[in-house]
Amino acid sequence: EPEVTQTPSHQVTQMGQEVILRCVPISNHLYFYWYRQILGQKVEFLVSFYNNEISEKSEIFDDQFSVERPDGSNFTLKIRSTKLEDSAMYFCASSAGWQQPQHFGDGTRLSIL
Amino acid sequence: GESVGLHLPTLSVQEGDNSIINCAYSNSASDYFIWYKQESGKGPQFIIDIRSNMDKRQGQRVTVLLNKTVKHLSLQIAATQPGDSAVYFCASPRGGEKLTFGTGTRLTIIP
Repeated sequence: EPEVTQTPSHQVTQMGQEVILRCVPISNHLYFYWYRQILGQKVEFLVSFYNNEISEKSEIFDDQFSVERPDGSNFTLKIRSTKLEDSAMYFCASSAGWQQPQHFGDGTRLSIL
Repeated sequence: GESVGLHLPTLSVQEGDNSIINCAYSNSASDYFIWYKQESGKGPQFIIDIRSNMDKRQGQRVTVLLNKTVKHLSLQIAATQPGDSAVYFCASPRGGEKLTFGTGTRLTIIP
């Protein structure tokens, strides 16, 4: 069964450094998302991406965050200058269309030191 | 504000019994709901979805019931197995495609 894949599974970064989290969505999907889950808390929406542009973003997704679909298969989340509070699990998801199930990857655990 | 939440943070069920996990929502305009299962160290896994023009939908060993009058939905898992142990979330798109997740119910299967 097709699945969303994320790399790396665990990323450790010094505070202030840039980090890029990578995702390969399901191949025929059109909508792409990033969510995060701080340990012990709810899964929170960050951003949605459709037709090569951001369609919606949360208040968490400030100027230090950016997303890119550099080619036909990858979808990346960049955090420009990481802070301690960015430590979380980051999940990528994709869906085939409007109000279709979002399918999630297994996440990247980001640890900021 | 709007919310999608779950009634109980934990639920323990004997292996082989049926489980019922409940979820309440506040926005009467919500028209699409999804149940996810999250095992330790993994991402949310899609289980089943339901739209507001239905009140029941069945999958393999799972049934989702939607009661729009009281803004409540439930996930029933038949003949629970050890592999069903996980945290279960209901979620609903809000203001577009972004999913709003509840706090989750941790289901523990007792052998």
